[in-house]
Amino acid sequence: GENVEQHPSTLSVQEGDSAVIKCTYSDSASNYFPWYKQELGKGPQLIIDIRSNVGEKKDQRIAVTLNKTAKHFSLHITETQPEDSAVYFCAATNIQGAQKLVFGQGTRLTINP
Amino acid sequence: ETGVTQSPTHLIKTRGQQVTLRCSSQSGHNTVSWYQQALGQGPQFIFQYYREEENGRGNFPPRFSGLQFPNYSSELNVNALELDDSALYLCASSLGGRETQYFGPGTRLLVL
Repeated sequence: GENVEQHPSTLSVQEGDSAVIKCTYSDSASNYFPWYKQELGKGPQLIIDIRSNVGEKKDQRIAVTLNKTAKHFSLHITETQPEDSAVYFCAATNIQGAQKLVFGQGTRLTINP
Repeated sequence: ETGVTQSPTHLIKTRGQQVTLRCSSQSGHNTVSWYQQALGQGPQFIFQYYREEENGRGNFPPRFSGLQFPNYSSELNVNALELDDSALYLCASSLGGRETQYFGPGTRLLVL
């Protein structure tokens, strides 16, 4: 079955700097890769997603890149702000079947003012 | 547009008891997926319901069961609770099993 590895587990950056979180997946059949942000005491919130027919997607300060050959995908946050502090999860699935999201272990991002 | 809601928010049970958790899907969504999130880990898929039928199951024992109702709301039932069942239980709804999943706030279950 699918396995998703996420790095780093913790990340601390200065406000205004960029943050990058990386994930690798094992199942070449995976074709949908969402990223979720989870704040303390809340459920995961979708922040951006990408499908396998696209190599990069951007939404304001957030971008995701996908390398299907290497089975890597990454989240890039530019001009970080204190409200970006949270736990971020990557996930992978094959949307042709039941959309069973397989999550990475999470990255705790801290933005230092 | 109403988001995904879950009840109760918190629950304390003792080992061996049974529990029912509830989820109302986002307006217009016909698919509900349930996940278990242990402390410090990513969510793990339990099962998915699409139009009242189970549509995929993760690696969880049969004592985890579910239902989906005609209005697409859903229940997760766990029998014979074990200490390791202590976790945040999340439901996510989507339009069809192939679309983006939106999560509710979760139910925090503590088994003593």
